[in-house]
Amino acid sequence: DSGVTQTPKHLITATGQRVTLRCSPRSGDLSVYWYQQSLDQGLQFLIQYYNGEERAKGNILERFSAQQFPDLHSELNLSSLELGDSALYFCASSVVVGGEQFFGPGTRLTVL
Amino acid sequence: GENVEQHPSTLSVQEGDSAVIKCTYSDSASNYFPWYKQELGKRPQLIIDIRSNVGEKKDQRIAVTLNKTAKHFSLHITETQPEDSAVYFCAASRADQAGTALIFGKGTTLSVSS
Repeated sequence: DSGVTQTPKHLITATGQRVTLRCSPRSGDLSVYWYQQSLDQGLQFLIQYYNGEERAKGNILERFSAQQFPDLHSELNLSSLELGDSALYFCASSVVVGGEQFFGPGTRLTVL
Repeated sequence: GENVEQHPSTLSVQEGDSAVIKCTYSDSASNYFPWYKQELGKRPQLIIDIRSNVGEKKDQRIAVTLNKTAKHFSLHITETQPEDSAVYFCAASRADQAGTALIFGKGTTLSVSS
């Protein structure tokens, strides 16, 4: 157990819908990262927050957005879902920017 | 941006043999190179990492080497065991910048047969 928690574990929804994935970092970790893992694209960085502020953006679609709240938990919002958004979404956290990243168990999203 | 290439994509070895996985990176400013192990349906777990001021690092049966000039780094697993079977990912990042995404290779599926 890495100490990073993610909810829900599984999510099944339909095309066009909107979902919210939640992540709680390890106690004391200020930095939160979101990654998407699909069979054809591997692990891809989406976005990073540090102490409530966005720090870096990767290949995140405009339909996706995220935020980090004052209690340091983070949410990833996915809207206008498409079949191709089906993937495992991982959250990771680190104490400092650039430190070792600890991954949560992931949320498996299935878009039908 | 950074690009990480990883080879081979699959690797099959006999128990007790050594396994080597190689990665190359493109951004000479990258300075942090972790390796993650991921079992089926589970989260990636850090197994070893190396920073650019070090050429080699060992942890029991696992070692990582880094060649900054050639921009490549490798994972070495000795005396492989069936429980080493998993997907291994290398990654690179510029760990001294404000934003430090891990850029991952495509992964290597290691199968260790007994």
